[in-house]
Amino acid sequence: KNQVEQSPQSLIILEGKNCTLQCNYTVSPFSNLRWYKQDTGRGPVSLTIMTFSENTKSNGRYTATLDADTKQSSLHITASQLSDSASYICVVRQGGYNKLIFGAGTRLAVHP
Amino acid sequence: EADIYQTPRYLVIGTGKKITLECSQTMGHDKMYWYQQDPGMELHLIHYSYGVNSTEKGDLSSESTVSRIRTEHFPLTLESARPSHTSQYLCASSNQETQYFGPGTRLLVL
Repeated sequence: KNQVEQSPQSLIILEGKNCTLQCNYTVSPFSNLRWYKQDTGRGPVSLTIMTFSENTKSNGRYTATLDADTKQSSLHITASQLSDSASYICVVRQGGYNKLIFGAGTRLAVHP
Repeated sequence: EADIYQTPRYLVIGTGKKITLECSQTMGHDKMYWYQQDPGMELHLIHYSYGVNSTEKGDLSSESTVSRIRTEHFPLTLESARPSHTSQYLCASSNQETQYFGPGTRLLVL
């Protein structure tokens, strides 16, 4: 079954600290993996996209990694800010079917 | 910031009412989508369209219907709303690479 699982389900950190969110997937065939940020009451906004051959991609304080062999991805947030409080969603595109498989997201709260 | 809009942003209605959720985009994208998302849960695709006069049902069964008469417009209609339809509805459009999401409509059916 094609699934995307994220952990932890929720996370609280202090402002300025780093954190890492995990995404494991069983989607096959794999096309690409994208991390979205979804603020409360808003639609998701794309942070990074990674294809099979890419291991690391950064977008400011966000760094995503991909291990296509173990089918794992992580999103590392450096020097967190209050505005980072949001849900972070891992989405895998299934190759050939043009289908997106969504994870349930990790809800991050950054406290002062 | 993506140019995709949804109205209304919030809607509270009684059971049995007919409602239409509006979605429009100004990016000229052929592909458009409707997702349903319950709090803290993943997005589920309920409808999609690959162009004018093209509509398909998504993975999650839904009693809603959609139409695509114009490229920029993809409205979703519930003929008779029920409390089970209470959810957030997200519209998206895409080019070849990226899906751009609207702000969503939060629907509460009493």
